[in-house]
Amino acid sequence: DSGVTQTPKHLITATGQRVTLRCSPRSGDLSVYWYQQSLDQGLQFLIQYYNGEERAKGNILERFSAQQFPDLHSELNLSSLELGDSALYFCASSPEGGALAETQYFGPGTRLLVL
Amino acid sequence: AQSVTQLGSHVSVSEGALVLLRCNYSSSVPPYLFWYVQYPNQGLQLLLKYTTGATLVKGINGFEAEFKKSETSFHLTKPSAHMSDAAEYFCAVIQAGTALIFGKGTTLSVSS
Repeated sequence: DSGVTQTPKHLITATGQRVTLRCSPRSGDLSVYWYQQSLDQGLQFLIQYYNGEERAKGNILERFSAQQFPDLHSELNLSSLELGDSALYFCASSPEGGALAETQYFGPGTRLLVL
Repeated sequence: AQSVTQLGSHVSVSEGALVLLRCNYSSSVPPYLFWYVQYPNQGLQLLLKYTTGATLVKGINGFEAEFKKSETSFHLTKPSAHMSDAAEYFCAVIQAGTALIFGKGTTLSVSS
């Protein structure tokens, strides 16, 4: 158990809909990362937040957005969903988020299926 | 841009045999390299990481990896495979101190 929690575990929805994925980092970790794992693209970095502020952006679509709240939990919002958005979405956390050698601890993921 | 390439999407070994999973990196700066393991229906777990210093890195569950700058490689090995090692393994490099850039993964199968 990494200490990172994600809800829900599974999500089934329809095209065009909007969903919210939630992540609680390990106690004391200030940085949260979101990754997408799909068969086509593999594991891809989406976005990073540090202490409530966006720190880095990866291959995140404009239809997707995220935020980190004062209690440090984070939410990833996916809107206008398409079939291709079906994937496993991971959240990871780390203590600072700027140190090169810092370990990122991954949650169990949310499996999203868009029908 | 930094990247990693994992050679072989699927590796099969017998229980007790040597495990060798290959990873080559591309980086214009000294890389920080990681190996993660993903068991079925679970998240990713760190096996080991290379930062600076000793080029032979020991990790959990008997795995180790050697950083070879001349070969731009960071191959993962384990002397004797166990059935419980069956999983997907990802090599990764860290970019700009933030994002992990992952390889496509290697699925390890272990047969008795």
